[in-house]
Amino acid sequence: DAGVTQSPTHLIKTRGQQVTLRCSPISGHKSVSWYQQVLGQGPQFIFQYYEKEERGRGNFPDRFSARQFPNYSSELNVNALLLGDSALYLCASSPTETPSPLHFGNGTRLTVT
Amino acid sequence: KQEVTQIPAALSVPEGENLVLNCSFTDSAIYNLQWFRQDPGKGLTSLLLIQSSQREQTSGRLNASLDKSSGRSTLYIAASQPGDSATYLCAPLTYNTDKLIFGTGTRLQVFP
Repeated sequence: DAGVTQSPTHLIKTRGQQVTLRCSPISGHKSVSWYQQVLGQGPQFIFQYYEKEERGRGNFPDRFSARQFPNYSSELNVNALLLGDSALYLCASSPTETPSPLHFGNGTRLTVT
Repeated sequence: KQEVTQIPAALSVPEGENLVLNCSFTDSAIYNLQWFRQDPGKGLTSLLLIQSSQREQTSGRLNASLDKSSGRSTLYIAASQPGDSATYLCAPLTYNTDKLIFGTGTRLQVFP
């Protein structure tokens, strides 16, 4: 079975632009979580979605938004990009609403210039 | 607010050594704790999940222990190999929260 898949793998954007990152969970998993990992740090929680509804939001500005589709895939959108948004964005899925155990994808490396 | 600390921050050892990686957390009201491995530029690979009711969990050369009351978990790696070189992250799931809280990890290098 395929694991969590994320696209694209790498992305370069300019300050002020908008970006959309995509995630497909493990088959049968209904919960998707998004994390941001800045170089040298541990991942920081951004969002959790379960059954297409937002179940949790981390301490990120409103420029960050997400949604989950009926097939449980998810998109993360970031508007008005800042240099500080450069990071590895990780998507993770879990079978139920409880985000455990989490299974992570390989991430999308976003570079903002 | 849950805070996670991992010690040491970095470790460089010769092949064959037995290793101990430490993780401490401030809120002991946890549901479980997960250990991950991360290779450079890659995602996280789950190694072990230890439930709050468990004391230990083992997978191959890896053993994780949990002392919830003291807010500590330990990852033990037996007979280390160069392929074990990676960053190791621990993350407890606290009751009534929707997220894992991660430490900054232990960067391990095992040289031949």
